[in-house]
Amino acid sequence: GAVVSQHPSRVICKSGTSVKIECRSLDFQATTMFWYRQFPKQSLMLMATSNEGSKATYEQGVEKDKFLINHASLTLSTLTVTSAHPEDSSFYICSAGGGTVDEQYFGPGTRLTVT
Amino acid sequence: TQLLEQSPQFLSIQEGENLTVYCNSSSVFSSLQWYRQEPGEGPVLLVTVVTGGEVKKLKRLTFQFGDARKDSSLHITAAQPGDTGLYLCAGGMNYGGSQGNLIFGKGTKLSVKP
Repeated sequence: GAVVSQHPSRVICKSGTSVKIECRSLDFQATTMFWYRQFPKQSLMLMATSNEGSKATYEQGVEKDKFLINHASLTLSTLTVTSAHPEDSSFYICSAGGGTVDEQYFGPGTRLTVT
Repeated sequence: TQLLEQSPQFLSIQEGENLTVYCNSSSVFSSLQWYRQEPGEGPVLLVTVVTGGEVKKLKRLTFQFGDARKDSSLHITAAQPGDTGLYLCAGGMNYGGSQGNLIFGKGTKLSVKP
């Protein structure tokens, strides 16, 4: 299957700082990437859909000024959590569109802890 | 709002037992994916079913897509401790030929005890 990487895997930051998470598709070009958030023992919550070269589409209730998404190339999308607060602590996972139109291949996730 | 109801939410069984996980919806999906996720990792795609009535087998796992493409099931035969994990179903919402969103079920946390 297709390989998607995320960096960093874990990050601890202080309240008020910004954190950037990178998502890369390593062996295929991904026109569309997705960003999810997952709370403990829960399913994935879609935050936004990122299309290469255009603005991201955010889900209802997700602050686009707080969660900045950039999809500058067919292999890289970034999520920046701006002015992070403890309630932003979570597991953030990206995915990239794969071979068939519906399939998504997920990165290993980034554990963000805001102190 | 499209919903995909997954059951059971938790399942704890002994090694060697069989189990079935269900995903049901009132919506028609373009496809249905099943993923398995381990703690601290991202979900891993197990299978994609596209055609109504389709059945796919992956070793001891059997996946079925309902005839109307509204429901799906995952059956595991002779479960092993290595099958432990969170199983997620996800319905595809693509009908226009471009990448669409996936609607995720809430997941089934499976624990297989030796």
